[in-house]
Amino acid sequence: GAVVSQHPSRVICKSGTSVKIECRSLDFQATTMFWYRQFPKKSLMLMATSNEGSKATYEQGVEKDKFLINHASLTLSTLTVTSAHPEDSSFYICSARVVLGEAGGNIQYFGAGTRLSVL
Amino acid sequence: AQTVTQSQPEMSVQEAETVTLSCTYDTSESDYYLFWYKQPPSRQMILVIRQEAYKQQNATENRFSVNFQKAAKSFSLKISDSQLGDAAMYFCAYRSANSGNTPLVFGKGTRLSVIA
Repeated sequence: GAVVSQHPSRVICKSGTSVKIECRSLDFQATTMFWYRQFPKKSLMLMATSNEGSKATYEQGVEKDKFLINHASLTLSTLTVTSAHPEDSSFYICSARVVLGEAGGNIQYFGAGTRLSVL
Repeated sequence: AQTVTQSQPEMSVQEAETVTLSCTYDTSESDYYLFWYKQPPSRQMILVIRQEAYKQQNATENRFSVNFQKAAKSFSLKISDSQLGDAAMYFCAYRSANSGNTPLVFGKGTRLSVIA
């Protein structure tokens, strides 16, 4: 399947600092990318939908000023956690959608995730 | 809004045996896609199998197959000849076919243990 690269895999930062997470589609162009948050032993919670060249669409309850999403190209989306606090500690996962040619429809492929720990 | 329900928080299976993970969903749409994703301890989400709602034939991928019952809104995953590497969290997911931007809707997951 298609490859989605997410970096860094793990980050530890001090409270009040900002952290940027990158998500790249390596062998395909992704007009739509998604950012998820996953708490321990829980399902994935959609944070926002990111479309190339336009503003991200945030889910209810997700602070857009806190979680800045930029989708500047067809292969790169970034999530910046601004002024991080311990409650932002979590596992963040990006996903990119690839359109299936004549078969129709599309499939989401996922990055390996980023474990954020805020001290 | 669509919902996906996985009623089995945990399941276990003996190595080489067969196990079925259940999934039901609620939707008023007629055109959609269903997926099973696997999340091993590495936490990398891996697509296991995909089903288009307009296809009556059940999807299969090697040892993985689904039982898709559209009228009953049921989409179970069968794993045959279970292997130790199958141990993971399995998520059932739904996506509308009506718009390119609609996200996946996930169930809460089923943790599968494989006993040697």
